[in-house]
This record gives sequence, structure tokens and C-alpha cells, in this order.
Amino acid sequence: QKEVEQNSGPLSVPEGAIASLNCTYSDRGSQSFFWYRQYSGKSPELIMFIYSNGDKEDGRFTAQLNKASQYVSLLIRDSQPSDSATYLCAGPTGGGNKLTFGTGTQLKVEL
Amino acid sequence: EPEVTQTPSHQVTQMGQEVILRCVPISNHLYFYWYRQILGQKVEFLVSFYNNEISEKSEIFDDQFSVERPDGSNFTLKIRSTKLEDSAMYFCASSEAEGRSEKLFFGSGTQLSVL
Repeated sequence: QKEVEQNSGPLSVPEGAIASLNCTYSDRGSQSFFWYRQYSGKSPELIMFIYSNGDKEDGRFTAQLNKASQYVSLLIRDSQPSDSATYLCAGPTGGGNKLTFGTGTQLKVEL
Repeated sequence: EPEVTQTPSHQVTQMGQEVILRCVPISNHLYFYWYRQILGQKVEFLVSFYNNEISEKSEIFDDQFSVERPDGSNFTLKIRSTKLEDSAMYFCASSEAEGRSEKLFFGSGTQLSVL
């Protein structure tokens, strides 16, 4: 069973701080990872994806992938209260597009 | 911005009844999916669909479940005889192509409650 593991949190950070969300995966063949944000009762919203080792930046978000350690992370700079949500890490498993999701990390950004 | 739309947003049904959940994927997308999320749990893959055929299905997707693309725009999930444990949020998703790097876009979901 190919797994994606996340700490469920909650992770609490003060407004303006950097939030660091982490994810590990078991499928060594995984080439890409996706970060989705999910507000309570809503659907997952794609916010970042990363295909290669290293860092990828998009606005306040940076995704980091380390294939040797089977580790992927999401950094959110200048955290805002509106960033408070559950962040889902997902990786493809099997031959197609099927995504396996982690349990998600709940982020709380406090004023 | 194009989006995946799902109807209804909420569905309440009695155990043993049939339900059909409907989805309109993004228009130029070719691959379609159903996922579900039981309250407080992971988002779980149910089935993927391409070229009018199931590409892959999970263990959850048993004989009680079926999918169909009845016309050029709709994609449906049918549960023939609902059970209490089918209560969940059901998400439809679509992607433009196949591949381990393809991005999936999710609809807003249908909350199914089986009483």
C-alpha cells in the first residue's frame, strides 16, 4: 500500500510567521507532488505542485521536494488568518493520475 | 476560470435507495474521477474514467457503484443501494490528460447523508 503521511496538527503560527508543512511518502517511483488547501466543508483546492527535486516558489508559497529522503514540504511565508485551513499533500500512485492523499495538516494562523 | 461543477450540493437518502451524483467536468478535460471523504478522514480515490471506460477503481468501488458519461458534458456516479457507511462528501475531479504530473481539479462536492 503506497502511503502519504502527514502530521495532522493542528499547527499554530502567529500572523506574519512562516508556516512549514511536511509530508513523507513511500512510493519511490513518485515523480510529482501536489499541495491542496481545504477549508472546512469545502473541496480541495490546488495551490502548488512540484515535479523535480529542489524548491519551487509561487508567491508566498514554496514547495520543496527531496526524492532521496522521500520528503515534500510546503512553506507559507507571511502567514495570514485566511491561510487557516487543512493542507493536503497528494502524490500519484499507480500508472495513471490516481492521487493518494495524506490525512492533511490543520494550520491555524493566529492574530 | 473553468471549473468542475457538481449537483446536488446535498443529498439525503434512506438506506437501500439509489442515488445519482452528477458532475460537469471542465470542458477540455478528458479524464474524470470520483473521490470521497468521510467526515474527519482522508480524501479517498474511488474511480477514474477515460474514453467511456473505467481506467482504474479502488476496493471501495464495488458492485454497488457505477459511473457513466451519458452525454458530452455530464459524468455521474450511481450508488445502487446505499448503506449508512456511504455517508460522505463525494468529489468529482477532472484532468486534461493522463500522467503522473497531471493536475486534478475538484468540484465543490456533494454531501451524501444516508439515514
